[in-house]
Amino acid sequence: NAGVTQTPKFQVLKTGQSMTLQCAQDMNHNSMYWYRQDPGMGLRLIYYSASEGTTDKGEVPNGYNVSRLNKREFSLRLESAAPSQTSVYFCASKGGAGNQPQHFGDGTRLSIL
Amino acid sequence: AQKITQTQPGMFVQEKEAVTLDCTYDTSDPSYGLFWYKQPSSGEMIFLIYQGSYDQQNATEGRYSLNFQKARKSANLVISASQLGDSAMYFCAMRRSGNTPLVFGKGTRLSVIA
Repeated sequence: NAGVTQTPKFQVLKTGQSMTLQCAQDMNHNSMYWYRQDPGMGLRLIYYSASEGTTDKGEVPNGYNVSRLNKREFSLRLESAAPSQTSVYFCASKGGAGNQPQHFGDGTRLSIL
Repeated sequence: AQKITQTQPGMFVQEKEAVTLDCTYDTSDPSYGLFWYKQPSSGEMIFLIYQGSYDQQNATEGRYSLNFQKARKSANLVISASQLGDSAMYFCAMRRSGNTPLVFGKGTRLSVIA
């Protein structure tokens, strides 16, 4: 029962470096999401993909790009990392009707020096 | 735009007592869903309970119940018989109809005292 798998779990980058966070789900869900969690801010939506082949911006998309590679995988890319992107990143997926919850991965803790 | 407000940054409760975590929301959509998640210190997000805007009865899941007051736009989480393992961050979230993403509140940190 893997659910939503995120890699890596931890990463330290230098300012200006690039990185891709990987996310895969094995629940055959149509929708996938990327959030960031900062202290005192809750979870804020970066990008989401309502279905394979579509992506949309969320509340805080600047500095990020996403790719819905196939139905299972949804990656988040930081092209030029900045200290303000230090955060915990969560991937989530959802299937079925609107009353179904989003299922979350365990998160990626990213530090930008 | 949707908005979720959790006004209690932190709460303390004695073990075996009940506790209510507040959540108010703002939306103009007639159809929406409200969710509560628990985040223990280990960091994972655990789904607890769901309430639909058209549901006639308050949702319950074991020791968790949702006190849904539609006219007041509130969806408070009630945890009965608190346990030490209930110590965690709790997030209220809302979704408009369909597959739109959840919008989260800033969370309430609950500490259960022995």
